[in-house]
Amino acid sequence: KQEVTQIPAALSVPEGENLVLNCSFTDSAIYNLQWFRQDPGKGLTSLLLIQSSQREQTSGRLNASLDKSSGRSTLYIAASQPGDSATYLCAGSGNNYGQNFVFGPGTRLSVLP
Amino acid sequence: GAGVSQTPSNKVTEKGKYVELRCDPISGHTALYWYRQSLGQGPEFLIYFQGTGAADDSGLPNDRFFAVRPEGSVSTLKIQRTERGDSAVYLCASSSFPSGASTGELFFGEGSRLTVL
Repeated sequence: KQEVTQIPAALSVPEGENLVLNCSFTDSAIYNLQWFRQDPGKGLTSLLLIQSSQREQTSGRLNASLDKSSGRSTLYIAASQPGDSATYLCAGSGNNYGQNFVFGPGTRLSVLP
Repeated sequence: GAGVSQTPSNKVTEKGKYVELRCDPISGHTALYWYRQSLGQGPEFLIYFQGTGAADDSGLPNDRFFAVRPEGSVSTLKIQRTERGDSAVYLCASSSFPSGASTGELFFGEGSRLTVL
């Protein structure tokens, strides 16, 4: 059974810092990996999708990478802003556990002004 | 529609009652997923539809839970004899599913918050 760990569970940083969120999968046979943002009481907003043939994706100040040999992904946020405060979740799909995404518990990020 | 729409946004019911939650996916998306999220946790997979058929229902916790997608668009999640432990946010997602691909990018609705008293 695929299990996903996200480290750290919570993070508080001053505005302007660069930061890295980590995600790891017990089954490294990941097909697609997706990072989401969730604001309190809201649904999930897609940030980045790394598809099977890719290793990295960038959008604005966000960069996500996937190491398929280890089953680990990182989300890099540059020059953090208070508006980045939210919970960040990673999710992976793979042929070994059906065609659905398995989610991590999330990292709760607070960016202080 | 422009995004995934879920109704109701909030539902409060009494233990033992029957509940229906509705999901209207992004137009043209053939794949539809239901997830359940408890406070402080990541979403937990329930069921996945490809078109009208349930391709994977391995996440449904027991036979009180059932979902349908009769015309390959709107889906309804049905919960019979609700229990307090069913209280959670039920999330729906849809995906454009290219032929031969495993999964595409998921787009989520705002969720339906179910409270069982």
